[in-house]
Amino acid sequence: QQQVRQSPQSLTVWEGGTTVLTCSYEDSTFNYFPWYQQFPGEGPALLISILSVSDKKEDGRFTTFFNKREKKLSLHIIDSQPGDSATYFCAASENAYKVIFGKGTHLHVLP
Amino acid sequence: ETAVFQTPNYHVTQVGNEVSFNCKQTLGHDTMYWYKQDSKKLLKIMFSYNNKQLIVNETVPRRFSPQSSDKAHLNLRIKSVEPEDSAVYLCASSPTDWINQDTQYFGPGTRLLVL
Repeated sequence: QQQVRQSPQSLTVWEGGTTVLTCSYEDSTFNYFPWYQQFPGEGPALLISILSVSDKKEDGRFTTFFNKREKKLSLHIIDSQPGDSATYFCAASENAYKVIFGKGTHLHVLP
Repeated sequence: ETAVFQTPNYHVTQVGNEVSFNCKQTLGHDTMYWYKQDSKKLLKIMFSYNNKQLIVNETVPRRFSPQSSDKAHLNLRIKSVEPEDSAVYLCASSPTDWINQDTQYFGPGTRLLVL
């Protein structure tokens, strides 16, 4: 079944805190998992991505973890900033033509 | 720097009218997409085009029709719009082998409001 479940739906953290978003999937053919960040009035933009052959990828304050056995992935944002306030989507794909998105997490970082 | 351009930014119309949205990408990609994002921010793929050929046509109503003149342009026409068509329509592009090279680049979207 091609579905990506994302949680939480909404999250509020204090500036400097750590944000953790999670996703799960069922289709074993998925092999690429991007995370997108979307600000109001803009299209989604790639934040970080990971292939199913890896279990961790780090880019500055953003780290994504992947657990193939449990079919789960997560996004960790350390030292969260008010500028990180946005909607975050996890996604999964097995080819270039179809990407399945999670329902998104609305993140609010309070100063 | 914007590389996926969409027009118009915003469009208000009445039920039953026809609308057209345009998308152009300057990245040299050969695959383009149309997504619909509803008021709850849910993103669903509608169409995918590779070198002007339709690859994926999700179960969207027949009043929606994508049109591509070349690999840099992908338009979307909606005949006889209905209230549930109110949404943001996002265009995206990517290389065919995007998983190993790159990713999808999204335009800013066209917001449609059907009265």
